[in-house]
Amino acid sequence: DSGVTQTPKHLITATGQRVTLRCSPRSGDLSVYWYQQSLDQGLQFLIQYYNGEERAKGNILERFSAQQFPDLHSELNLSSLELGDSALYFCASSVATSDGTQYFGPGTRLTVL
Amino acid sequence: DQQVKQNSPSLSVQEGRISILNCDYTNSMFDYFLWYKKYPAEGPTFLISISSIKDKNEDGRFTVFLNKSAKHLSLHIVPSQPGDSAVYFCAASRMTTDSWGKLQFGAGTQVVVTP
Repeated sequence: DSGVTQTPKHLITATGQRVTLRCSPRSGDLSVYWYQQSLDQGLQFLIQYYNGEERAKGNILERFSAQQFPDLHSELNLSSLELGDSALYFCASSVATSDGTQYFGPGTRLTVL
Repeated sequence: DQQVKQNSPSLSVQEGRISILNCDYTNSMFDYFLWYKKYPAEGPTFLISISSIKDKNEDGRFTVFLNKSAKHLSLHIVPSQPGDSAVYFCAASRMTTDSWGKLQFGAGTQVVVTP
């Protein structure tokens, strides 16, 4: 158990809908990262927040957004969902960047029908 | 643009023998490297890391070697155990302010340890 929690574990929804994925980092970790793992793309970095502020962006679509709240939990919002958004979404956290090691949550499996 | 490559999609090894997993990278600015293990339906689990100022790091049965000139790293698992059967991901990052440690992952290597 990494100490990173993600809810829900599974999510099934329809095209065009909007969903919110939630992540709670390890106690004491200030950085939260979101990654997407799809069959053909592997693990891809989406976005990073540090202590409530966006710090880095990767291959994140404009239909996707994220935020980190004062209690350090983070939410990833996916809107206007398409079939191709079906994937595993992982959250990871780290203390800051002291050693770069990120600890991953169990993931949320999103299925768009 | 795949900056981290794991060219072997699978590896089969006998229990008790050494597993050697390889990883190549193209971005010379990467300065921190990690290996993760992943079981189905679980998140990646951190195994071991190495900074670019070192060429070797050991932790129990796991040793990571870094060859910066060749832009190559490897993970050695000795001895291999059945519980090591999983997908192993190599990851790299730049520990700079603008990157803040975002990880670039390889495609993974499926390791199967046979009795």
